[in-house]
Amino acid sequence: SQQGEEDPQALSIQEGENATMNCSYKTSINNLQWYRQNSGRGLVHLILIRSNEREKHSGRLRVTLDTSKKSSSLLITASRAADTASYFCATDDTGGFKTIFGAGTRLFVKA
Amino acid sequence: DGGITQSPKYLFRKEGQNVTLSCEQNLNHDAMYWYRQDPGQGLRLIYYSQIVNDFQKGDIAEGYSVSREKKESFPLTVTSAQKNPTAFYLCASIEGKENTGELFFGEGSRLTVL
Repeated sequence: SQQGEEDPQALSIQEGENATMNCSYKTSINNLQWYRQNSGRGLVHLILIRSNEREKHSGRLRVTLDTSKKSSSLLITASRAADTASYFCATDDTGGFKTIFGAGTRLFVKA
Repeated sequence: DGGITQSPKYLFRKEGQNVTLSCEQNLNHDAMYWYRQDPGQGLRLIYYSQIVNDFQKGDIAEGYSVSREKKESFPLTVTSAQKNPTAFYLCASIEGKENTGELFFGEGSRLTVL
């Protein structure tokens, strides 16, 4: 089944820096989502971008989508220690009934 | 507050035992999902249900079973046939029958086989 793949697998930055995570996927999609997971917790939805959108913002988050390259990026600006978490991209399958997750990027923000 | 409740949070099982993980939602969502997460990895879909009394296998359904007798409830049974059941299990739901929006997740159940 199709799956998003995040890059890098892990990222360590200083507080105040920007963090960029990338996601690639294999087949056509209706939408792409980004989720956050704190250690040992459930996932929390961050943002959804539809296939006809190219960029979306939410607070310190900026998501881009390039359907021609089958890729998306998540930018977190002015990162904080509290942003330390794993971030996953997720895509719908072509049937529209399942959400497929990538392996995630582990972000560590040093105070 | 509306949300998804998973229980128990931690569960220990001896080899050969079946265990059932509970998932309850009060969001009035139609579709519910069970995912498995192994350390440092993404989520893999076990089963999903779009409506009551109907469910479909996901990518790794072998050794698992589910039921959907009520809209609010989607329990997962990890059977003795599951060869490597130690993992973190996440339940999720979505409004509507199709996957067109945000998934809401529970806080997970961590199963350890002794």
